[in-house]
Amino acid sequence: QVTLKESGPVLVKPTETLTLTCTVSGFSVSNGTMDVSWIRQPPGKALEWLAHIFPHDETSYNTSLKKRLTISRDTSKRRVVLTVTDVEPGDTATYYCARLTYYYDSNGYYIDAFDIWGQGTMVIVSS
Amino acid sequence: SSELTQDPTVSVALGQTVRITCQGDSLRNYFASWYQQKPGQAPVVVIYGKNNRPSGVPDRFSGSNSGNTASLTITGAQAEDEADYYCNSRDTSGNYWVFGGGTKLTV
Repeated sequence: QVTLKESGPVLVKPTETLTLTCTVSGFSVSNGTMDVSWIRQPPGKALEWLAHIFPHDETSYNTSLKKRLTISRDTSKRRVVLTVTDVEPGDTATYYCARLTYYYDSNGYYIDAFDIWGQGTMVIVSS
Repeated sequence: SSELTQDPTVSVALGQTVRITCQGDSLRNYFASWYQQKPGQAPVVVIYGKNNRPSGVPDRFSGSNSGNTASLTITGAQAEDEADYYCNSRDTSGNYWVFGGGTKLTV
């Protein structure tokens, strides 16, 4: 059973760099490499997709945050790291990592879903 | 456009049918997936693709698509269905993902 777990600091100061880690368990690297996204949710607000890393380590970023985000995977393939530079109070949120599963159906249509989510980690940006 | 639009709130009487909609240009090219989120919990996918339900999701949940609109229907809503629901898809370029603003369902 594949599980994801986020970890990182609870409190960071404005202008600092936030580093979050998503640890994957129950997945054999012999089965390939997972697609993983980071998604966040400010208190009382909607989900916001942030970044994605593909199996061959290509990356994709939310265009409005791209300059401040970096997503990477460690050599063990079991950890996906997100860094957010120059944080501000608006970055206060619960941060989730999620596995993306996708395929093409019998009609050739692309299908995807974030089918496994971590429990989330709350980050507060405050001085 | 990279936006998905949802009604902020929807109400349904216990046992009745409710439809939650999601509109956006990207839905003309990509199917939506739907996520249920209860307070203090991570989102859980309930519908993806044309109308696929993950194992464990009750069959009262169904999805449909037409033009730029995706819909999540709950037939015979139960008290435990009270939650926030989010739609998600690739954006129009196909390079990113985008979530709708969420719908708070009251049963």
